[in-house]
Amino acid sequence: RKEVEQDPGPFNVPEGATVAFNCTYSNSASQSFFWYRQDCRKEPKLLMSVYSSGNEDGRFTAQLNRASQYISLLIRDSKLSDSATYLCVVFHLAGGYNKLIFGAGTRLAVHP
Amino acid sequence: NAGVTQTPKFQVLKTGQSMTLQCAQDMNHEYMSWYRQDPGMGLRLIHYSVGAGITDQGEVPNGYNVSRSTTEDFPLRLLSAAPSQTSVYFCASNFGRWNTEAFFGQGTRLTVV
Repeated sequence: RKEVEQDPGPFNVPEGATVAFNCTYSNSASQSFFWYRQDCRKEPKLLMSVYSSGNEDGRFTAQLNRASQYISLLIRDSKLSDSATYLCVVFHLAGGYNKLIFGAGTRLAVHP
Repeated sequence: NAGVTQTPKFQVLKTGQSMTLQCAQDMNHEYMSWYRQDPGMGLRLIHYSVGAGITDQGEVPNGYNVSRSTTEDFPLRLLSAAPSQTSVYFCASNFGRWNTEAFFGQGTRLTVV
């Protein structure tokens, strides 16, 4: 089982739609959680951190459920520019070193 | 402010050749790391460093070497390229701790034939 699992998609949605991505992680000792965005053939960039209380940044809302070990990302009023791959990232101490574990990503395609 | 700079952007190697991927950051970050990204898989950690003179192995270190002689530079060396090393390689740096924002270079697309 992968340490961080995501639905690979693609999610094809029209502009203005609301779309939600989920991510599950296997290590209950995971300490920090993030969503990164990766455009096609580009480097990943931090979208937002995920806090236990949930957090919002404009049209983006991230939630963490520690009991069920899943993280979600909600995008409201989708724009064409939101088309990208969204990477769920988990941080924990494992194998003797702190590390970031990246999910394989969920691809979003927003169409007119 | 350039951030994290990786070179080259593209490279084709023959099996058995060696090469060095360069990575430099100008943000004075102590933490640097190398990842590889393969289709259908998340980024996997190859090697990492928590400061000049300190390096350690990540999840998939075999076939790669690193060194960290300065805070700014963290080159990745492929000792004897194999087709299994065909991948996209990313260098990243973090300020202070691993669970802070990671800044990535633009990536190197490596093909080994």
